[in-house]
Formats: sequence, structure tokens, C-alpha cells
Amino acid sequence: GESVGLHLPTLSVQEGDNSIINCAYSNSASDYFIWYKQESGKGPQFIIDIRSNMDKRQGQRVTVLLNKTVKHLSLQIAATQPGDSAVYFCAERNDYKLSFGAGTTVTVRA
Amino acid sequence: SQTIHQWPATLVQPVGSPLSLECTVEGTSNPNLYWYRQAAGRGLQLLFYSVGIGQISSEVPQNLSASRPQDRQFILSSKKLLLSDSGFYLCAWSVEIAGGQQYFGPGTRLTVT
Repeated sequence: GESVGLHLPTLSVQEGDNSIINCAYSNSASDYFIWYKQESGKGPQFIIDIRSNMDKRQGQRVTVLLNKTVKHLSLQIAATQPGDSAVYFCAERNDYKLSFGAGTTVTVRA
Repeated sequence: SQTIHQWPATLVQPVGSPLSLECTVEGTSNPNLYWYRQAAGRGLQLLFYSVGIGQISSEVPQNLSASRPQDRQFILSSKKLLLSDSGFYLCAWSVEIAGGQQYFGPGTRLTVT
């Protein structure tokens, strides 16, 4: 089975609001985590990553939080825009392999 | 800059027919290469990865095979397609083996009928 999972399969967000996408992972030995965005019919695009020795990392409009105590990863998107509508995947690295969750579909309401 | 290409973009094949999907990377040398399959509404399943020419590691026993005839070329093949082979096939590359950032191609949508 998959070692990475997302709490909610879908998320509907009002344009301009902040979005929070959650992910639970099961392997405490994982040392690196990535968030990808996948638009319909396209390959996943890298959003942001974080190593296990960090608990927070910020990018442009995005923040990833890592809580190793409860094995939880989240992606926060500030001021969500229509272009943020996509499926978001978290991935963890363990034993030099990436494992992906099933994804959360984010829909932005105008 | 680096780019990754996949073709064809879409493919409809009958059961029992052969398959060949191609992936090429430009702008980098000695990349690590990966083939993933994505079923509808699911995450990505790693099928094969390669750290160099002629070096292929299989992650999942299946009806598929992979080859790397050149440094920046990765091919996914099958001798006889099954219905269960339908899906979205993604090629990716990275600098680090199976880790660090992986860069994905545009994908091939395969429908086996």
C-alpha cells in the first residue's frame, strides 16, 4: 500500500483565501519531502521541498510545514488564485525512492 | 536549461499489441531517469528507474520493460498490452538518484481497448 496519504481528496477554496493541504506519512525514516502540483493532462510540477531537519520552508506564496512528531506535512497557499486549481501531491523520500500520495484536488471558486 | 520530452502524447492500442513510449532529456548529462504510471484519480507508481546507460531497476513486476540505449533516452515497452496497462505514463529525471527534485515530462495517455 501507499505510505503517503492525504487527509482530504478534494478542497474548495474561495479566490483570495488561504489554502491548506494536508498530508500524513507513515515512514519516520523519510528524510525529504516534496509538494507537486499537477494540472489536468500534464505532468506534475515541483512546488516546494523540505528536508527532515527543518520544520518550515517558505516560497513564493507557498509554505510547507513539517511536523515529524506526528508525521504530518502541510502545504499552505496564500491568496489562492484560479490558476492554483489543480491536484496537489506530497511525496516522501525513503531509501532513495520517492513515494507519492493519491493527491488532493483543489478547486478555486471565483 | 533542461527539458524533457515524451511521445506520443496520447495512444490508443488494442489488447495484445506492442508498446513503445519514448522519453528524452535535453540540457543535462548522466541524469537519473524514471518511468511512473498514474491511474485515474491515483498517485504515481514508480515502474522503473535508471542511473546510467543500460542500467535498469524494476520496481513492480508487470507486463512492461524499460531500456536506456543512450544517456538521455529512456524507453518503456511491452510485447503484448493488457487492459490493465491503460493509464497516464510519466517520465522524469533527477540529478540525485530517486531523490531530490524530480522533473516530469508532459506524459503519455495510453488507452488499451
